[in-house]
Amino acid sequence: NAGVTQTPKFRVLKTGQSMTLLCAQDMNHEYMYWYRQDPGMGLRLIHYSVGEGTTAKGEVPDGYNVSRLKKQNFLLGLESAAPSQTSVYFCASTSSPWTSGFNNEQFFGPGTRLTVL
Amino acid sequence: EDKVVQSPLSLVVHEGDTVTLNCSYEVTNFRSLLWYKQEKKAPTFLFMLTSSGIEKKSGRLSSILDKKELFSILNITATQTGDSAVYLCAVANAGNMLTFGGGTRLMVKP
Repeated sequence: NAGVTQTPKFRVLKTGQSMTLLCAQDMNHEYMYWYRQDPGMGLRLIHYSVGEGTTAKGEVPDGYNVSRLKKQNFLLGLESAAPSQTSVYFCASTSSPWTSGFNNEQFFGPGTRLTVL
Repeated sequence: EDKVVQSPLSLVVHEGDTVTLNCSYEVTNFRSLLWYKQEKKAPTFLFMLTSSGIEKKSGRLSSILDKKELFSILNITATQTGDSAVYLCAVANAGNMLTFGGGTRLMVKP
């Protein structure tokens, strides 16, 4: 049981390049989330998904797109990277609120450190 | 807009000291408050609180929620160097979205 995994762990991009971050979970969770963490700002929600085939915007969605084609995977895309997107990106997942024993706990992946030059 | 504020921003103590971390919040449709510990990588779950006045305890860590005054505290007694981390407070709303505070960075010196 690997929990939540993220690839890659590190990446350096030039301004204008594109990339996709992959998040995978093996806990059969319905809900998945993408956050970014900047110094002193905690975690901010970029996009989230409440089930396969669904996505929704979070607090800071501009410049990012997401897809949830399979229940276990949640992809975060940057179409044209900007230096302001330099950050650490975390993926998280949780079961649905209707699951027996649900307690709001989100399980986090190890993070991806992205630098945009 | 949901808001979570943590204080202090950072704290330096010596081993054996007791620390209290604070978290205040404003959130629509409150469901629960969660505490996480973040060392070098992913946040790890500590506590979830849903009811006022009921202390949650795990070893030297304890936490309590006041839903009337909209705050929570996290206490760590007999601190150890391994407690050095960023402690994050988050509030969950009815839609299962978490709003995080900026964190408190705790450094415990030997």
